[in-house]
Amino acid sequence: AQRVTQPEKLLSVFKGAPVELKCNYSYSGSPELFWYVQYSRQRLQLLLRHISRESIKGFTADLNKGETSFHLKKPFAQEEDSAMYYCALKGAQKLVFGQGTRLTINP
Amino acid sequence: DTGVSQNPRHKITKRGQNVTFRCDPISEHNRLYWYRQTLGQGPEFLTYFQNEAQLEKSRLLSDRFSAERPKGSFSTLEIQRTEQGDSAMYLCASSSTGKLFFGSGTQLSVL
Repeated sequence: AQRVTQPEKLLSVFKGAPVELKCNYSYSGSPELFWYVQYSRQRLQLLLRHISRESIKGFTADLNKGETSFHLKKPFAQEEDSAMYYCALKGAQKLVFGQGTRLTINP
Repeated sequence: DTGVSQNPRHKITKRGQNVTFRCDPISEHNRLYWYRQTLGQGPEFLTYFQNEAQLEKSRLLSDRFSAERPKGSFSTLEIQRTEQGDSAMYLCASSSTGKLFFGSGTQLSVL
């Protein structure tokens, strides 16, 4: 079975501070991991995917198969990063989402 | 707007009534997904189409729910004999490369 766990429902940090949103997964096969983001009054949209190994808006995420984790990191948070963040796992067919973490960046 | 389109944006219905939602995916996308989202939760997978074939349906989905994608283009999701527990945001997404593009959703309220 596919399962994604985001242990923090809420995360609040100050502008300029580092951010880490945690994601752990459970899957017996070879996973494909994603981070999706939903800004206020906007659609859910892809932030980044592990196979691209890219940095989007200063965010990076590394797949750690040993720890079955895919944590999202940014060294210096900005106010516009405030949003809901969802970690997602794609198995054979479907994409399974975690419960999400609401990130608030305080000025 | 060439993104995923969902109609209606909002639907209020009485318990026991049937409702139908429509999703128009991005035209070249062969995969279409339906998700349900309730407050404080992540999107929950309901069903998935590749072209017109429904390839997977969540075991959580009762027989009151049915989805179609005739001709592999738009899709409809019907809920029969709605219950208060069906109140949620229903999201549609389409894909061709694994990256999902989401619609704005249909917010269902069952009174």
